[in-house]
Amino acid sequence: KAGVTQTPRYLIKTRGQQVTLSCSPISGHRSVSWYQQTPGQGLQFLFEYFSETQRNKGNFPGRFSGRQFSNSRSEMNVSTLELGDSALYLCASSSHVTGSAGELFFGEGSRLTVL
Amino acid sequence: GQQVMQIPQYQHVQEGEDFTTYCNSSTTLSNIQWYKQRPGGHPVFLIQLVKSGEVKKQKRLTFQFGEAKKNSSLHITATQTTDVGTYFCARHASGGSYIPTFGRGTSLIVHP
Repeated sequence: KAGVTQTPRYLIKTRGQQVTLSCSPISGHRSVSWYQQTPGQGLQFLFEYFSETQRNKGNFPGRFSGRQFSNSRSEMNVSTLELGDSALYLCASSSHVTGSAGELFFGEGSRLTVL
Repeated sequence: GQQVMQIPQYQHVQEGEDFTTYCNSSTTLSNIQWYKQRPGGHPVFLIQLVKSGEVKKQKRLTFQFGEAKKNSSLHITATQTTDVGTYFCARHASGGSYIPTFGRGTSLIVHP
């Protein structure tokens, strides 16, 4: 069974630009969640999608957005990039249907550097 | 907010020594999960604890959930260099809301 796939793995952007990251969950998983990981703030929850609907959202500004497609693939977008957005962005999929969490399967992440 | 405090932040051990990391919450946890992230890697699920006082073992790893469900621990017996990485605990809000909160993690450094 293929794992969670994230693309691109590495990218460099400049301030003010926007970026789109992609995540393909494990086949059959309908829940996809996104996280930002930085040395200073640790692993922080961005949002979670289930069946194309955003079910939960973390405490991030509106510049951070996402969506999920009918095949459960998900994208997240960050607009008007700031230096502080430099981070490892992780996507995780889960087979859990209810609001309580099951095991999260993480992708290898997309490392974003903002110059 | 519903934070989980994880200690210590770093732990250096000689290979063969034991290691323990602790996860504490000021509020009752519905469940607790543990993940391991190797340097340059991504978090990998280790275990989930749900019941008060629960103890689970995975080879040299022992996971405990406190009786009051406000703390948890991960103990590694006789560490090996393959145990190097950062260990995170994660709580999930109760009441059906799926918003996981991760501890800051404990980075384990094993010296051969």
